[in-house]
Amino acid sequence: QQQVKQSPQSLIVQKGGISIINCAYENTAFDYFPWYQQFPGKGPALLIAIRPDVSEKKEGRFTISFNKSAKQFSLHIMDSQPGDSATYFCAASLQTGANNLFFGTGTRLTVIP
Amino acid sequence: SQTIHQWPATLVQPVGSPLSLECTVEGTSNPNLYWYRQAAGRGLQLLFYSVGIGQISSEVPQNLSASRPQDRQFILSSKKLLLSDSGFYLCAWSPIVQDEQYFGPGTRLTVT
Repeated sequence: QQQVKQSPQSLIVQKGGISIINCAYENTAFDYFPWYQQFPGKGPALLIAIRPDVSEKKEGRFTISFNKSAKQFSLHIMDSQPGDSATYFCAASLQTGANNLFFGTGTRLTVIP
Repeated sequence: SQTIHQWPATLVQPVGSPLSLECTVEGTSNPNLYWYRQAAGRGLQLLFYSVGIGQISSEVPQNLSASRPQDRQFILSSKKLLLSDSGFYLCAWSPIVQDEQYFGPGTRLTVT
């Protein structure tokens, strides 16, 4: 059972456009929601993260929007650049236990010039 | 600062051969350690995690095994590789009480 559902599977955006990736979860015990960025042949890198006590977090061109009642969160990439082309994974974390981070299935973003 | 190393970076092995992948973490003590596998174009599959030396939890039954002989060393092994073992193997660590996991550079394994 997929704990975190991510969509779309792939996304093509024009340079300068907004990229939006969505994730949804069911377990209300999740209390931390990170996003990872993975370039081909590299390990995923932590990009930005949010806790459910805020509805939005912005770091540069990257923004997480969080809707606690809908159990959904999304990543917005403003002014998308070709260098943003990568696979993005959302995740949700439980506060307890070592096996506590559950990943979405990933979105392959391609930003075309 | 903390760093995580994996080696080798790439590996080509014949079916039936043994496997040993190594992961080490520097700059932290008593981390939680994780092994993931990523098939081409796919998501992350958690294989094993460890909360301490000699403590291994398996998430997926398979012909792979893991060991943690030292606090900051995590090893993934197999006695006989299968074609289906091909993939990108990622090691990750997290502080003992923390939400994030930090990934290593990965090992690309091709079983021929």
